[in-house]
Parts: sequence; structure tokens; C-alpha cells
Amino acid sequence: AQTVTQSQPEMSVQEAETVTLSCTYDTSESDYYLFWYKQPPSRQMILVIRQEAYKQQNATENRFSVNFQKAAKSFSLKISDSQLGDAAMYFCAYRSAGTGTASKLTFGTGTRLQVTL
Amino acid sequence: DAGVIQSPRHEVTEMGQEVTLRCKPISGHDYLFWYRQTMMRGLELLIYFNNNVPIDDSGMPEDRFSAKMPNASFSTLKIQPSEPRDSAVYFCASSLAGVFVNEQFFGPGTRLTVL
Repeated sequence: AQTVTQSQPEMSVQEAETVTLSCTYDTSESDYYLFWYKQPPSRQMILVIRQEAYKQQNATENRFSVNFQKAAKSFSLKISDSQLGDAAMYFCAYRSAGTGTASKLTFGTGTRLQVTL
Repeated sequence: DAGVIQSPRHEVTEMGQEVTLRCKPISGHDYLFWYRQTMMRGLELLIYFNNNVPIDDSGMPEDRFSAKMPNASFSTLKIQPSEPRDSAVYFCASSLAGVFVNEQFFGPGTRLTVL
């Protein structure tokens, strides 16, 4: 079974600065997808960014980018130019590339990000 | 599209009562997932459906929990009888197979409190 580990329960960053959230995972599969979800106080789960394991290029979405290290099974999220609205819980998630029983997401325990002035 | 719709948004009930949570997935989506979020256990997948058929219910904690999907636009998660340890936020999510990465879209969640 796959596991996802987020070793930082809480992180803090000053507005306009850059912060990196860590995520590692364990799998024996070669093809899979990785995600970062944001959960603000409204508790709505919002997809921030996604990465296909077969792609070597790191995904980027505006101020959000990932550092995907497949051999190390590491998938960190970098938030540049942090804004107050970035304050939230961030969850790393793993999904197998197949369909059917492989469709489910496995989540990490989350990292709470605080953004200070 | 209105996104995934869940009702109620909040539910407070007493131990022993039956609780029914409802979900309307995004129109056209063929996968539906039920998750539970607690401080102790984080986000857990309870069960998911593909084309209205349950595929994996290994996450359902015990027989008190049941889920149905009578048609493509509606699903229920029922707890009977409810217990205080069932207090959590329950999320429904849906996705469409074949679309890029089969992204799951989450509903706003139902916060359940069992007294």
C-alpha cells in the first residue's frame, strides 16, 4: 500500500517570501500522479497543482511550483511571493495511474501554513 | 456547473440516531468518493463508486456505515446508529475517467457532530 508523509505539521512564512512544504511517499509503482491540495478555513479542498510521474519537468502554476524527485520519492511544494490568502492546510496526495481500484487518493497528514505580515 | 453539492453542511445529532449525508456529483462524472476527515486520522477514503457501482468499501469503518448510489446524480452515506466517535467532516468528491489525471473535485463537506 502507498503511504504519503508530510513531516512538517506547521510552517510559517512572511508575506512576499518563499516557503517550501515537504512531502515524501512510498510506492512500488512506476506510474502515478501526485497532487497538492489546499484547505482554507472554509474547509473546501482546492487542487493547487498536479504532477505526472512520467514527466521529468516540474509542474508550475503561477506562484506554485513543485520539486519532483522520483528516485528520492519526494514531492515538495514551493510557494513564491506568499500572500495572506495562501494561509491554509496543505495536503500532499498520491494516486496510482490505473483506473478502477487505483483511482483513490492517499493523503498525507497535512501542513498548516501561516502567513505573517 | 455548480460543483459537487453536499447536504447538510452541518449536522448535530444525538448518539444512537440515524444520520444521512447526501451528495450530488458534478454532472457527467462517473466516479464518486466519500472521505472522512478527523484530527486524529486525517483524510480517509471510506468508499468509492464507478458508474454507480461500489468499487472499494474497505475504508468503511464498520457495519454502522453504509453508502448507496442509486443513480449517477445522487449518493448517500448513512450512519446507523451514530456514535460520538463518528464526529468528523465528511467530504464527497467526483471525477471523470479519461480526463487529464482523473482529477477529483471536492464538495464543501458536511460537519457532523454526534453528542
